[in-house]
Amino acid sequence: DTEVTQTPKHLVMGMTNKKSLKCEQHMGHRAMYWYKQKAKKPPELMFVYSYEKLSINESVPSRFSPECPNSSLLNLHLHALQPEDSALYLCASSLERGKVYEQYFGPGTRLTVT
Amino acid sequence: AQSVTQLDSHVSVSEGTPVLLRCNYSSSYSPSLFWYVQHPNKGLQLLLKYTSAATLVKGINGFEAEFKKSETSFHLTKPSAHMSDAAEYFCVVFMDTGRRALTFGSGTRLQVQP
Repeated sequence: DTEVTQTPKHLVMGMTNKKSLKCEQHMGHRAMYWYKQKAKKPPELMFVYSYEKLSINESVPSRFSPECPNSSLLNLHLHALQPEDSALYLCASSLERGKVYEQYFGPGTRLTVT
Repeated sequence: AQSVTQLDSHVSVSEGTPVLLRCNYSSSYSPSLFWYVQHPNKGLQLLLKYTSAATLVKGINGFEAEFKKSETSFHLTKPSAHMSDAAEYFCVVFMDTGRRALTFGSGTRLQVQP
């Protein structure tokens, strides 16, 4: 099974809402990633978890809060977002962080902030 | 610092004709390079990767890329385009210093005309 799943597929939220994005993989990968992708742009790295510990935070605003409850699951908690946060949020995983392993991407969650 | 430059933001070909998507890299030593494809409203899929083994790399769906150190290039080719090849293509370098993560090129949109 080489699949990364993400839920929900689409999310519309107001600026005062709290919501969460979920990502799951069952490939035994120990590195998991969150990317943000604006329209017609490449993905931008947000967070990297390695062995369930946060390794990289690319200076992401605190209204985005990642969580890695176990080695298969990655969450992104959202609170008080701005309209400019509307984007496709991609989750990815790889065997380990920091080495040249293929990253497997999920289909993404399309987020709209109103 | 390692980086990639995709020389064309948009390429249009006719079905059955060859595809060439150009990518130049910047690195002081031999980089690890990837090509990913993203179909509309989908996640990213690895097409192929170069990690200092054979300079001609074969990937999925008939794509291949040649690593040319003298030209600092890693162009993606396919002998005959299919309608299903229409997508966004990203050339990606693995930064093996510093934060040790993927850095994406700006992307090339491939359009395939019937």
